[in-house]
Amino acid sequence: EDKVVQSPLSLVVHEGDTVTLNCSYEVTNFRSLLWYKQEKKAPTFLFMLTSSGIEKKSGRLSSILDKKELFSILNITATQTGDSAVYLCAVAPPPGAGGTSYGKLTFGQGTILTVHP
Amino acid sequence: EAGVAQSPRYKIIEKRQSVAFWCNPISGHATLYWYQQILGQGPKLLIQFQNNGVVDDSQLPKDRFSAERLKGVDSTLKIQPAKLEDSAVYLCASSSLRLWELFFGEGSRLTVL
Repeated sequence: EDKVVQSPLSLVVHEGDTVTLNCSYEVTNFRSLLWYKQEKKAPTFLFMLTSSGIEKKSGRLSSILDKKELFSILNITATQTGDSAVYLCAVAPPPGAGGTSYGKLTFGQGTILTVHP
Repeated sequence: EAGVAQSPRYKIIEKRQSVAFWCNPISGHATLYWYQQILGQGPKLLIQFQNNGVVDDSQLPKDRFSAERLKGVDSTLKIQPAKLEDSAVYLCASSSLRLWELFFGEGSRLTVL
């Protein structure tokens, strides 16, 4: 059975701190790893990682994938209270015939990040 | 561009009752997914449609859950009869064929008492 495990399960920091969220995976078929941010609504897309060792950055957030060790990290620098959310990691398999597998994501349980002022 | 619409946003029912959730995907998106997110867990795929056909329903508890996507647009997910463990947020998502990005709706939160 495919498995995606995130750590820590929860994290409490103060504004300005830097945090690192971890995601390890064990899946039969791998195409890419995705990070989502979930506040009290729909998950919103952050990053998609397909190749090892290539860092993706968006503002204060960055992420990298290690396909040999089967894990990814999400870094958030200079955290703000608006970063408080659940961060979800998910693995996507290769597309099936006609691209039918793109959305068959296997999610981790999420990391709850709380940033205090 | 309008996003994925879901209703109702919240529903409270007693066990053994039935409930239905509705999803309207982004216009033109051929693929539609229903995910179940139990509190403290990540979303789990229940069923995937492509147009009006089922691609994968291997994790759908078919003794009580059913879903349909008539005419390849809107979809409904039904639970009958509901159990306590069905309490969760039901997320609908859609994507364009052969494009990777998944767009999620805001979810329907079900509480079974």
